[in-house]
Amino acid sequence: AQSVTQLGSHVSVSEGALVLLRCNYSSSVPPYLFWYVQYPNQGLQLLLKYTSAATLVKGINGFEAEFKKSETSFHLTKPSAHMSDAAEYFCAVSDDQAGTALIFGKGTTLSVSS
Amino acid sequence: DAMVIQNPRYQVTQFGKPVTLSCSQTLNHNVMYWYQQKSSQAPKLLFHYYDKDFNNEADTPDNFQSRRPNTSFCFLDIRSPGLGDAAMYLCATSRASGRRYEQYFGPGTRLTVT
Repeated sequence: AQSVTQLGSHVSVSEGALVLLRCNYSSSVPPYLFWYVQYPNQGLQLLLKYTSAATLVKGINGFEAEFKKSETSFHLTKPSAHMSDAAEYFCAVSDDQAGTALIFGKGTTLSVSS
Repeated sequence: DAMVIQNPRYQVTQFGKPVTLSCSQTLNHNVMYWYQQKSSQAPKLLFHYYDKDFNNEADTPDNFQSRRPNTSFCFLDIRSPGLGDAAMYLCATSRASGRRYEQYFGPGTRLTVT
């Protein structure tokens, strides 16, 4: 069965600093991986997805993620944090059995200070 | 803009009083999902429709029902809400059923049970 582990429930950075949010997955088949962002009292917005094409995936708002099979990782990065990036970030993997369910990590709250 | 709309955004109901949450979409997607997200937790899939075919997750309580009268609309009915059902309820859609299709989320309905 698939699973996702997000290391660090809370990450704090200064404005302009590098953002690194960690995600490790477990999957018995080649995974499809997603990063979503959730602002307070809002739904989830897709940042980017990996679907077995390029290992470096670029998303919206300057975020990107690199799929590393050897490390079973899909970490999310952004070179320079903005105050507006403060939100909850979820990594998710598609369930290989159901083909529909998304299995989410527990989320990482990103705080950005000025 | 094509989108997923949820009404109401905030819903207060009394313990044991039935409540219905609604979701509509202008994306013309075949699949619609309902997730439950409790405070500081990841979203948890309750059920989904592929067209008119209903798929219930094994651990979704019987207290939760759903209806999809047409492609655009989907409803979540909670027959007898308990205090433990207070949560954010997220509706999502995807173009088709399959691991590579990303899900598009609505803004959510926050349910309070008094």
